[in-house]
Amino acid sequence: DTAVSQTPKYLVTQMGNDKSIKCEQNLGHDTMYWYKQDSKKFLKIMFSYNNKELIINETVPNRFSPKSPDKAHLNLHINSLELGDSAVYFCASSQDTLGTSGNNEQFFGPGTRLTVL
Amino acid sequence: EDQVTQSPEALRLQEGESSSLNCSYTVSGLRGLFWYRQDPGKGPEFLFTLYSAGEEKEKERLKATLTKKESFLHITAPKPEDSATYLCGNAGGTSYGKLTFGQGTILTVHP
Repeated sequence: DTAVSQTPKYLVTQMGNDKSIKCEQNLGHDTMYWYKQDSKKFLKIMFSYNNKELIINETVPNRFSPKSPDKAHLNLHINSLELGDSAVYFCASSQDTLGTSGNNEQFFGPGTRLTVL
Repeated sequence: EDQVTQSPEALRLQEGESSSLNCSYTVSGLRGLFWYRQDPGKGPEFLFTLYSAGEEKEKERLKATLTKKESFLHITAPKPEDSATYLCGNAGGTSYGKLTFGQGTILTVHP
């Protein structure tokens, strides 16, 4: 059983388009995250949600809009895609919000490789 | 501002040759120092969390240690399957829910 799943795995699109990446976790966790990993493999937090509530928004352009319809899902919608958005996007989840308890091991999804042409 | 710096950027070892990876961090009020392993084309996989200076954790050939400024990931008698990128990250300061990662160390173990 896949703990954290993302779709699609690969996404190739033209500049200016709007696209979405979906994430689902079946671990019963309360907190979900989106990370961006650039070409140098640097992994940077974008958003954190706890029980569908946004708790971290790391100076991400407002073209990026996360949406959490329920605790098990956190989707990422990106408007007006730019060349610099090309990266691998990872979804993750943890039982508790990072830093609040000892139960904060993060489980990562397989990633979505976004290429903007 | 939280900062995490890992060294070296890349490390090549022969099978059985033990070594250590370094993670230097600055944060006010550490709430966890995390180690992850990432294989090519996959998401990071959790290894350890350390919370206070002097703490150590082990898993097979890996041992993580923590001081007030650094964490080390010691690899004893590595095997080719230990080849991966090892990521270190810290959680702390005033932001809950945020893990700040270093740039990673790419470990290659040759048979």
